[in-house]
Amino acid sequence: GNSVTQMEGPVTLSEEAFLTINCTYTATGYPSLFWYVQYPGEGLQLLLKATKADDKGSNKGFEATYRKETTSFHLEKGSVQVSDSAVYFCALNNFNKFYFGSGTKLNVKP
Amino acid sequence: NAGVTQTPKFQVLKTGQSMTLQCAQDMNHEYMSWYRQDPGMGLRLIHYSVGAGITDQGEVPNGYNVSRSTTEDFPLRLLSAAPSQTSVYFCASSYSIWATTNEKLFFGSGTQLSVL
Repeated sequence: GNSVTQMEGPVTLSEEAFLTINCTYTATGYPSLFWYVQYPGEGLQLLLKATKADDKGSNKGFEATYRKETTSFHLEKGSVQVSDSAVYFCALNNFNKFYFGSGTKLNVKP
Repeated sequence: NAGVTQTPKFQVLKTGQSMTLQCAQDMNHEYMSWYRQDPGMGLRLIHYSVGAGITDQGEVPNGYNVSRSTTEDFPLRLLSAAPSQTSVYFCASSYSIWATTNEKLFFGSGTQLSVL
Protein backbone atom coordinates (compact mmCIF):
# COMPACT_ATOMS: atom_id res chain seq x y z
CA GLY A 1 0.00 0.00 0.00
CA ASN A 2 0.85 3.67 0.07
CA SER A 3 1.71 5.58 3.21
CA VAL A 4 3.81 8.45 4.53
CA THR A 5 5.54 8.63 7.90
CA GLN A 6 7.02 11.84 9.24
CA MET A 7 8.61 12.80 12.50
CA GLU A 8 6.35 13.85 15.30
CA GLY A 9 6.47 17.37 16.58
CA PRO A 10 6.41 19.91 17.76
CA VAL A 11 9.87 20.99 16.70
CA THR A 12 11.05 24.14 18.46
CA LEU A 13 14.03 26.05 17.09
CA SER A 14 15.64 29.41 17.57
CA GLU A 15 15.75 31.81 14.65
CA GLU A 16 18.61 31.06 12.19
CA ALA A 17 18.89 27.41 13.34
CA PHE A 18 19.11 24.52 10.87
CA LEU A 19 15.93 22.59 10.22
CA THR A 20 15.41 18.95 9.30
CA ILE A 21 12.02 17.25 9.23
CA ASN A 22 12.22 13.57 8.38
CA CYS A 23 9.82 11.89 5.97
CA THR A 24 9.79 8.31 4.70
CA TYR A 25 7.27 6.67 2.43
CA THR A 26 5.93 3.35 1.24
CA ALA A 27 4.51 3.17 -2.27
CA THR A 28 3.96 0.94 -5.24
CA GLY A 29 5.29 2.18 -8.53
CA TYR A 30 6.88 5.60 -8.91
CA PRO A 31 5.09 8.26 -6.88
CA SER A 32 5.68 11.99 -6.89
CA LEU A 33 6.62 13.48 -3.53
CA PHE A 34 5.56 16.79 -2.02
CA TRP A 35 5.94 19.02 1.00
CA TYR A 36 2.92 21.14 1.89
CA VAL A 37 2.75 23.86 4.56
CA GLN A 38 -0.27 24.91 6.59
CA TYR A 39 -0.50 28.24 8.39
CA PRO A 40 -3.08 28.68 11.19
CA GLY A 41 -6.65 28.83 9.94
CA GLU A 42 -5.70 28.15 6.33
CA GLY A 43 -5.64 25.30 3.86
CA LEU A 44 -2.44 23.60 2.76
CA GLN A 45 -0.10 25.23 0.27
CA LEU A 46 2.47 23.51 -1.88
CA LEU A 47 6.01 24.20 -0.66
CA LEU A 48 8.03 22.01 -3.03
CA LYS A 49 7.85 18.81 -5.03
CA ALA A 50 9.97 16.15 -6.74
CA THR A 51 8.75 13.81 -9.42
CA LYS A 52 11.49 11.18 -9.76
CA ALA A 53 14.43 9.66 -7.92
CA ASP A 54 17.34 12.03 -7.17
CA ASP A 55 15.27 15.11 -8.02
CA LYS A 56 15.70 17.99 -5.59
CA GLY A 57 12.74 20.25 -4.91
CA SER A 58 13.42 23.72 -3.53
CA ASN A 59 11.48 26.83 -2.63
CA LYS A 60 11.91 29.77 -0.21
CA GLY A 61 15.18 28.30 1.13
CA PHE A 62 13.64 24.88 1.80
CA GLU A 63 15.01 21.79 0.04
CA ALA A 64 14.19 18.08 -0.17
CA THR A 65 15.74 15.31 -2.26
CA TYR A 66 13.82 12.27 -3.52
CA ARG A 67 15.84 9.28 -2.28
CA LYS A 68 14.46 6.07 -3.73
CA GLU A 69 17.10 3.86 -2.11
CA THR A 70 16.07 5.00 1.37
CA THR A 71 12.44 5.86 0.45
CA SER A 72 12.90 9.27 2.02
CA PHE A 73 12.13 12.91 1.28
CA HIS A 74 13.52 14.88 4.23
CA LEU A 75 12.84 18.62 4.40
CA GLU A 76 15.76 20.94 5.23
CA LYS A 77 16.38 24.66 5.62
CA GLY A 78 19.67 26.22 6.54
CA SER A 79 18.37 29.17 8.58
CA VAL A 80 14.77 29.28 9.80
CA GLN A 81 12.81 32.44 10.46
CA VAL A 82 9.93 33.17 12.83
CA SER A 83 7.68 33.38 9.77
CA ASP A 84 8.42 29.69 9.02
CA SER A 85 6.35 28.65 12.04
CA ALA A 86 3.63 26.39 10.64
CA VAL A 87 2.66 22.74 10.22
CA TYR A 88 4.53 20.85 7.50
CA PHE A 89 3.06 17.84 5.70
CA CYS A 90 4.92 15.32 3.59
CA ALA A 91 2.78 13.72 0.88
CA LEU A 92 2.91 11.38 -2.08
CA ASN A 93 0.76 11.17 -5.20
CA ASN A 94 0.22 7.75 -6.70
CA PHE A 95 -2.46 6.67 -9.17
CA ASN A 96 -4.72 9.70 -8.69
CA LYS A 97 -4.61 9.62 -4.89
CA PHE A 98 -2.70 11.77 -2.46
CA TYR A 99 -1.45 10.33 0.83
CA PHE A 100 -0.35 12.67 3.61
CA GLY A 101 1.79 12.25 6.68
CA SER A 102 0.47 13.31 10.06
CA GLY A 103 2.17 16.71 9.97
CA THR A 104 5.02 18.25 11.97
CA LYS A 105 4.47 21.51 13.79
CA LEU A 106 7.43 23.89 13.69
CA ASN A 107 7.80 26.68 16.23
CA VAL A 108 10.56 29.20 15.61
CA LYS A 109 11.44 31.51 18.50
CA PRO A 110 13.08 34.93 18.03
CA ASN B 1 -9.27 35.06 -8.47
CA ALA B 2 -11.36 32.97 -6.03
CA GLY B 3 -9.58 29.59 -6.38
CA VAL B 4 -11.25 26.89 -4.22
CA THR B 5 -14.18 28.11 -2.14
CA GLN B 6 -15.65 26.08 0.71
CA THR B 7 -18.83 26.84 2.64
CA PRO B 8 -19.66 26.97 5.46
CA LYS B 9 -16.52 27.70 7.51
CA PHE B 10 -18.03 26.38 10.72
CA GLN B 11 -20.95 24.02 11.38
CA VAL B 12 -22.42 22.34 14.44
CA LEU B 13 -24.73 19.36 13.93
CA LYS B 14 -26.63 17.03 16.17
CA THR B 15 -26.18 13.29 15.80
CA GLY B 16 -28.37 11.99 12.98
CA GLN B 17 -28.72 15.27 11.12
CA SER B 18 -27.72 15.55 7.50
CA MET B 19 -25.91 18.34 5.72
CA THR B 20 -23.91 19.20 2.63
CA LEU B 21 -20.49 20.82 2.59
CA GLN B 22 -20.07 22.90 -0.53
CA CYS B 23 -16.93 23.16 -2.66
CA ALA B 24 -16.51 25.19 -5.83
CA GLN B 25 -13.48 26.02 -7.97
CA ASP B 26 -13.16 28.50 -10.80
CA MET B 27 -9.92 27.23 -12.34
CA ASN B 28 -11.48 24.66 -14.70
CA HIS B 29 -9.79 21.87 -12.76
CA GLU B 30 -10.70 18.32 -13.72
CA TYR B 31 -9.67 16.74 -10.42
CA MET B 32 -11.43 17.51 -7.13
CA SER B 33 -11.18 15.80 -3.77
CA TRP B 34 -12.31 15.88 -0.15
CA TYR B 35 -10.11 15.28 2.90
CA ARG B 36 -10.66 15.20 6.61
CA GLN B 37 -7.98 16.40 9.00
CA ASP B 38 -7.85 14.90 12.46
CA PRO B 39 -5.25 15.58 15.16
CA GLY B 40 -2.22 13.33 14.81
CA MET B 41 -3.52 11.72 11.63
CA GLY B 42 -2.83 14.24 8.91
CA LEU B 43 -5.22 14.44 5.98
CA ARG B 44 -7.14 11.40 4.78
CA LEU B 45 -8.84 11.17 1.42
CA ILE B 46 -12.62 10.70 1.59
CA HIS B 47 -13.73 10.83 -2.07
CA TYR B 48 -12.33 12.19 -5.27
CA SER B 49 -13.43 12.95 -8.82
CA VAL B 50 -11.44 13.06 -12.06
CA GLY B 51 -14.17 14.83 -14.02
CA ALA B 52 -17.87 15.60 -14.20
CA GLY B 53 -19.92 12.46 -13.67
CA ILE B 54 -16.96 10.45 -12.30
CA THR B 55 -16.33 9.85 -8.61
CA ASP B 56 -14.41 7.28 -6.60
CA GLN B 57 -13.72 6.38 -2.98
CA GLY B 58 -10.66 7.29 -1.01
CA GLU B 59 -9.32 5.92 2.29
CA VAL B 60 -12.30 6.81 4.53
CA PRO B 61 -15.52 6.99 2.44
CA ASN B 62 -18.02 5.50 4.88
CA GLY B 63 -20.76 7.92 5.96
CA TYR B 64 -20.12 10.33 3.09
CA ASN B 65 -21.59 10.72 -0.39
CA VAL B 66 -20.43 12.86 -3.30
CA SER B 67 -21.55 13.73 -6.79
CA ARG B 68 -19.98 15.76 -9.60
CA SER B 69 -22.62 17.14 -11.94
CA THR B 70 -20.47 20.07 -13.11
CA THR B 71 -16.74 20.71 -13.45
CA GLU B 72 -16.93 23.54 -10.89
CA ASP B 73 -18.77 21.93 -7.96
CA PHE B 74 -18.07 18.92 -5.76
CA PRO B 75 -20.39 18.80 -2.71
CA LEU B 76 -19.83 16.40 0.19
CA ARG B 77 -22.94 15.01 1.88
CA LEU B 78 -23.18 13.64 5.39
CA LEU B 79 -26.33 11.53 5.41
CA SER B 80 -26.60 10.89 9.16
CA ALA B 81 -23.95 12.73 11.15
CA ALA B 82 -22.05 10.92 13.91
CA PRO B 83 -19.66 12.30 16.55
CA SER B 84 -16.83 10.40 14.81
CA GLN B 85 -17.28 12.78 11.88
CA THR B 86 -16.21 15.76 13.97
CA SER B 87 -13.22 17.04 12.02
CA VAL B 88 -11.88 19.75 9.74
CA TYR B 89 -12.79 19.11 6.12
CA PHE B 90 -10.76 20.35 3.17
CA CYS B 91 -11.64 20.41 -0.48
CA ALA B 92 -8.79 20.41 -2.98
CA SER B 93 -8.52 20.53 -6.75
CA SER B 94 -5.93 20.01 -9.44
CA TYR B 95 -5.83 20.68 -13.16
CA SER B 96 -5.43 17.04 -14.10
CA ILE B 97 -3.62 14.06 -12.72
CA TRP B 98 -4.36 11.61 -15.45
CA ALA B 99 -1.31 12.37 -17.55
CA THR B 100 1.15 12.98 -14.79
CA THR B 101 1.66 12.33 -11.11
CA ASN B 102 3.26 15.65 -10.31
CA GLU B 103 0.23 17.89 -10.19
CA LYS B 104 -0.11 20.01 -7.09
CA LEU B 105 -3.32 20.42 -5.15
CA PHE B 106 -5.05 23.75 -4.53
CA PHE B 107 -6.81 23.73 -1.17
CA GLY B 108 -9.84 25.55 0.18
CA SER B 109 -9.69 27.16 3.62
CA GLY B 110 -11.58 24.34 5.32
CA THR B 111 -14.82 23.65 7.17
CA GLN B 112 -14.73 22.95 10.89
CA LEU B 113 -17.53 20.51 11.70
CA SER B 114 -18.65 19.48 15.18
CA VAL B 115 -21.19 16.71 15.69
CA LEU B 116 -22.75 16.62 19.15
